[in-house]
Amino acid sequence: QQQVKQSPQSLIVQKGGISIINCAYENTAFDYFPWYQQFPGKGPALLIAIRPDVSEKKEGRFTISFNKSAKQFSLHIMDSQPGDSATYFCAASRVGSGSRLTFGEGTQLTVNP
Amino acid sequence: GAVVSQHPSRVICKSGTSVKIECRSLDFQATTMFWYRQFPKKSLMLMATSNEGSKATYEQGVEKDKFLINHASLTLSTLTVTSAHPEDSSFYICSALRGLASYNEQFFGPGTRLTVL
Repeated sequence: QQQVKQSPQSLIVQKGGISIINCAYENTAFDYFPWYQQFPGKGPALLIAIRPDVSEKKEGRFTISFNKSAKQFSLHIMDSQPGDSATYFCAASRVGSGSRLTFGEGTQLTVNP
Repeated sequence: GAVVSQHPSRVICKSGTSVKIECRSLDFQATTMFWYRQFPKKSLMLMATSNEGSKATYEQGVEKDKFLINHASLTLSTLTVTSAHPEDSSFYICSALRGLASYNEQFFGPGTRLTVL
């Protein structure tokens, strides 16, 4: 019930392409869905987050698409750049959990020049 | 804004010694901080929730006597790995909650690489 499943494990994209990472959750009580970007040897950085009252949120080249009925959400990185090469984690939390995050397994993104 | 620091960034110690890691929220007050552990190429594993002025809440399977957490102020939480052994070698990351609303954003520190020889 607390799991968040993330795919793919790794992704290779050409510069300028679109990177898409998907997550699925089981617990319908989740109501906050952030994405984090992590570079090697660094802590995760919050990229973008969405709440279930909207189906899409866009910030610059990053877009979250949210499908409440399917219990899925995805991160789209438009015009991917080599500097976007990092590990991306989706996560979820719910009200009453003290903001504890349940993380996906992570996706290692490589953007080739 | 929303900067979280950790100190030290790297530490190498001998087996049996204790190591203290500090987590500070630099530009906001954090009543709640979290401590995570991360193995290479793996996701973050929540170890404990640290609340200012009260005892930490540990996740199942995390030894509270092994990993001592103190949250003495609204900007500082510390994790002490007691009698460290090689299997405690890992990347330890803290995060701090900003905001008082139900949906609090977590901001992460840069992590501390612990190597126990």
